[in-house]
Amino acid sequence: GAVVSQHPSWVICKSGTSVKIECRSLDFQATTMFWYRQFPKQSLMLMATSNEGSKATYEQGVEKDKFLINHASLTLSTLTVTSAHPEDSSFYICSALHYRGGNTEAFFGQGTRLTVV
Amino acid sequence: KNQVEQSPQSLIILEGKNCTLQCNYTVSPFSNLRWYKQDTGRGPVSLTIMTFSENTKSNGRYTATLDADTKQSSLHITASQLSDSASYICVVTKGTNAGKSTFGDGTTLTVKP
Repeated sequence: GAVVSQHPSWVICKSGTSVKIECRSLDFQATTMFWYRQFPKQSLMLMATSNEGSKATYEQGVEKDKFLINHASLTLSTLTVTSAHPEDSSFYICSALHYRGGNTEAFFGQGTRLTVV
Repeated sequence: KNQVEQSPQSLIILEGKNCTLQCNYTVSPFSNLRWYKQDTGRGPVSLTIMTFSENTKSNGRYTATLDADTKQSSLHITASQLSDSASYICVVTKGTNAGKSTFGDGTTLTVKP
């Protein structure tokens, strides 16, 4: 149990276009999901916290108008990279919080490799 | 300075050997500490999760230890396999905000035949 699925696994898009990435919790409900980006050989950098039914909370330095987050249901959060540029090329990963056994555990999606050309 | 520091940054060992990865943290208050394995180009996969009252947790060939007094954790891998080659990330979660976690920079482990 506790599976998080991200789609797509990889995407190539032209500069100036928008790309949507989906993060789904398949067998549990997640009121809170997180979006990260990861550059090669570096750790995950938290971009924003996605809360079901409310606005996302963005980390300092992350442009909320560029990285649109929607968490419309308890099993789905989406990240839309608007007007993508080559510098947005990165590995984007989501995680969903699952409360069980008295612990809060975060389960990660498999990641999405975005390449902007 | 990162509140979660991992060492070594990278490690190369021969197949079949054991190794230990370290994680020191200053995050407070402490809720839980997790170790993840991240294969290249994939999302992290949870190995162990420990609360402050737990000293050790095993998952197959992976054994994590926690000393909440000294704020240190280790991940011990026994009888390493080629498939253990990955980045191992230590993540500490604050007690007052279960969702806010601090990530270590990871240790890159390479297992050679």
